[in-house]
Amino acid sequence: AQSVTQLDSHVSVSEGTPVLLRCNYSSSYSPSLFWYVQHPNKGLQLLLKYTSAATLVKGINGFEAEFKKSETSFHLTKPSAHMSDAAEYFCVVSDQGPLTFGKGTMLLVSP
Amino acid sequence: GAGVSQSPSNKVTEKGKDVELRCDPISGHTALYWYRQSLGQGLEFLIYFQGNSAPDKSGLPSDRFSAERTGGSVSTLTIQRTQQEDSAVYLCASSSTVALSYEQYFGPGTRLTVT
Repeated sequence: AQSVTQLDSHVSVSEGTPVLLRCNYSSSYSPSLFWYVQHPNKGLQLLLKYTSAATLVKGINGFEAEFKKSETSFHLTKPSAHMSDAAEYFCVVSDQGPLTFGKGTMLLVSP
Repeated sequence: GAGVSQSPSNKVTEKGKDVELRCDPISGHTALYWYRQSLGQGLEFLIYFQGNSAPDKSGLPSDRFSAERTGGSVSTLTIQRTQQEDSAVYLCASSSTVALSYEQYFGPGTRLTVT
């Protein structure tokens, strides 16, 4: 069985400050891990993915995530938040089949 | 190229009626998934088609839900005798297993409202 825990339901940052969205996973196998973003009334967009290659994964829009097997974590970071980053972010785990989603973290960015 | 498309974008139906939701995956993608996004339950897996294999129906919440995929492409999700708790956004995704990428590309969803 696989599961994902997103540790914060909401994260608030100021524009230009760093972003950290936390995610812990549980999987019986070597999982694939993803971060998806959903802007208001929009579809899900893939930000980045980890599939057992480099542990530091770079995605779109300046986001990156580091896979830490010892901590079963896959936290999402960005050095400097932009107003357009305000959205809901989902950490996702897959054993190469259906995706298991975390409950999401709403990122709020203030000017 | 074209992404995953879904129709209709919105559907309002009366309790007890049947509805059909359509998904057109990305051309050449062999895997197709249906998910449901609702306020109370978050994002849940419903059903998964991979090539010509029997579908994985383990996420379907009741026998009122069914899906088919014709010709390895278009898929239809059918909900019979709709209930108010079926109100949600139904999302379709497709993926290619070429190069073991497994990443799934999502359509815009169908918002179903059962009155």
